[in-house]
Amino acid sequence: DIQMTQSPSTLSASVGDRVTITCRASQSISSWLAWYQQKPGKAPKLLIYKASSLESGVPSRFSGSGSGTEFTLTISSLQPDDSATYYCQQYNSHEGSFGQGTKLEIK
Amino acid sequence: QVQLVESGGGVVQPGGSLRLSCAASGFTFSSYGMHWVRQAPGKGLEWVAVISTDGSHKYYADSVKGRFTVSRDNSKDTLYLQMNSLKAEDTAVYYCAKVVVAGTHYFDYWGQGTLVTVSS
Repeated sequence: DIQMTQSPSTLSASVGDRVTITCRASQSISSWLAWYQQKPGKAPKLLIYKASSLESGVPSRFSGSGSGTEFTLTISSLQPDDSATYYCQQYNSHEGSFGQGTKLEIK
Repeated sequence: QVQLVESGGGVVQPGGSLRLSCAASGFTFSSYGMHWVRQAPGKGLEWVAVISTDGSHKYYADSVKGRFTVSRDNSKDTLYLQMNSLKAEDTAVYYCAKVVVAGTHYFDYWGQGTLVTVSS
C-alpha cells in the first residue's frame, strides 16, 4: 500500500502570505496526485489534479507541483476563505490513499 | 446537476451490521467507478472501498476487508456499502464519491456524508 505523509500538520499564516504544504508518497506515483480542501462539516472539494492541474472554478492563487514522491500545494496570497484542512490523495492505485491533512489557520 | 445522497447511517452496537446507500443523479451512473471514503470524528480522510462501473472489480482497505462489501445497482443508480461485524473504530462519517474520469480514482463529487456510530 502507498502511504502519504503531509507536512506540516497545522499551519498558521496571515492574509496575503504565501503558503506551502508538502506531501510525500512512500513510492513513486508519477503525477497521480490530487489536493482537496475541506471545511468543517462539509465534504472535501477538489482543488488540483494530476499534481498541477487546476480544477475548474478554483482560484488561480492555488497551484500544485511535483512528481514521483514529493509534491507541494501552494497558495500564493492567502485569503480568509482559505481557512480549512487540506488533504493530498494519490490515485496511482485504486486504493486512493490520503495524507493525514494539514489544518490551515488564518492569524 | 450531479447529486450524491447517502443514507442508512445510525447507531449500531459492536458486532452489528448496517447498510449504507448512495443515490446518484445528474450523470450516467453506470459509466463511473465509485468509492466510499470515511472520516472518523476529528480525524482525516480514510479511503474505504472502490467498485468498478459494472461491479466486477472491488477493492477494500485492509481495515475493512472481510467485513465490508461494496455493491451497486446501475438500474437504480445506487451504490451500497454493507458493513458487518462493526467495531468502535468504524465510527465515522461515510462519504460516497464519484471519480472524475472513468479509470481514475480521484473525485469531483462527494455526497453530504452519513454518520455511523458504533457504540454499546
